[in-house]
Formats: sequence, C-alpha cells, structure tokens
Amino acid sequence: ETGVTQTPRHLVMGMTNKKSLKCEQHLGHNAMYWYKQSAKKPLELMFVYSLEERVENNSVPSRFSPECPNSSHLFLHLHTLQPEDSALYLCASSPPGLAGDNEQFFGPGTRLTVL
Amino acid sequence: GENVEQHPSTLSVQEGDSAVIKCTYSDSASNYFPWYKQELGKRPQLIIDIRSNVGEKKDQRIAVTLNKTAKHFSLHITETQPEDSAVYFCAATIASWGKLQFGAGTQVVVTP
Repeated sequence: ETGVTQTPRHLVMGMTNKKSLKCEQHLGHNAMYWYKQSAKKPLELMFVYSLEERVENNSVPSRFSPECPNSSHLFLHLHTLQPEDSALYLCASSPPGLAGDNEQFFGPGTRLTVL
Repeated sequence: GENVEQHPSTLSVQEGDSAVIKCTYSDSASNYFPWYKQELGKRPQLIIDIRSNVGEKKDQRIAVTLNKTAKHFSLHITETQPEDSAVYFCAATIASWGKLQFGAGTQVVVTP
C-alpha cells in the first residue's frame, strides 16, 4: 500500500448519471494528479493540483470536473459521460518541491465503465 | 509540448537474458526522465529515474542511460526474472507543475 487510496475501485454508470471519484493521500504530499489510462494508449495527464490550486488542465472535456478541497483529498466529478470515457482513472501525488521533478505515487485506480 | 515515443511495444525475453526499452523525446528542455513499472492489475510504481545532468544510473539489475544530444533514453534490465514481467512506461518532463508525458508502454514477458 503506497498511501494513495482511491474509491470506488470499480464504477459502472449510465451516460446521464452523475458520480464522483475520490482520491486521498496522507503522505504529506502537496501535488495531486488525475490520469486516464486506456488500453494500448499512454497515460494521459488530465489535471494537476499544486498546493490546492489547479495548475494544469490538459484540454479535458468539461464533463470532467476536478476538485481539491485540501492537500490530502482530490475528487473527479463526472457527468454526462460518453462510452469512450470508459478507462482506468488513476490518481497520483508527489512530495513538496518542483511538482514535475519528483516521484509520483499512484493510487490503485478506479475502473470506470460508461454504458 | 513534449512527445515521448517508446519502443518496442512488446518484448519477450528468456529468463536470464537482458531487456532493453528505448524512448525518445521531443522537447530539448526536458530534464527529468522516470521509468515506471505496472504489473497486471496494479498501480504504476517508479523503478528508476534520471536527471539531465547525469548520463547513466544503475540500481542493481536495472540501469538507465540518457543521451541528451540525441534526445533518447533507455532502460536496461539484466538477468531478467519472471517477476520482471510487467508493462514499463518511460516519461519525460520539464520540471514544471508535474506535467509528465508518458510513453505508450512496453509489455515485457519473461519466459522461464
């Protein structure tokens, strides 16, 4: 257990549903990330939060909405998703310092299926 | 932005042989190059990283080399073991807000 947890681990939702993914870390890290992992494709960075401020938004559709209420928690709110959004969503965190210059610790991921 | 290409996409090796995975990057300002290993059904985990002021780094059976001029870096695994079977991802970043750009991954299969 790396100290980064994600809930739920599996999620099936319809295109009209609203759901949220949760990520939590108690490693003292101050940067948190959301990634999308699809089969046969590179890990895609979606959002980066540093000191609870969003510092990166990689042209992600507005149906994905992140929230970082404090340095230990990160959410990804989902609404009106499409079947092509089905993927493994990974959360990660990294220690204080330049956010791009340190090991990122990944959570176990949420396997999302959109029907 | 940064683009990272990774080859091969699959690699099958006999136990005890060496495995080499190569990555190229596009942005000459990139200065941090980590490698992650992801076993089936598990999360990616860092196995080794290298920074742009170093040409080579070794940790037991794993080594990484960096050629800044050619903009490529490689992962070398010696004396492979079945537990080395996994997907390996390279990544590159300019040290700016965690924007790691990952390669597509290499599925390594070590056969006994």
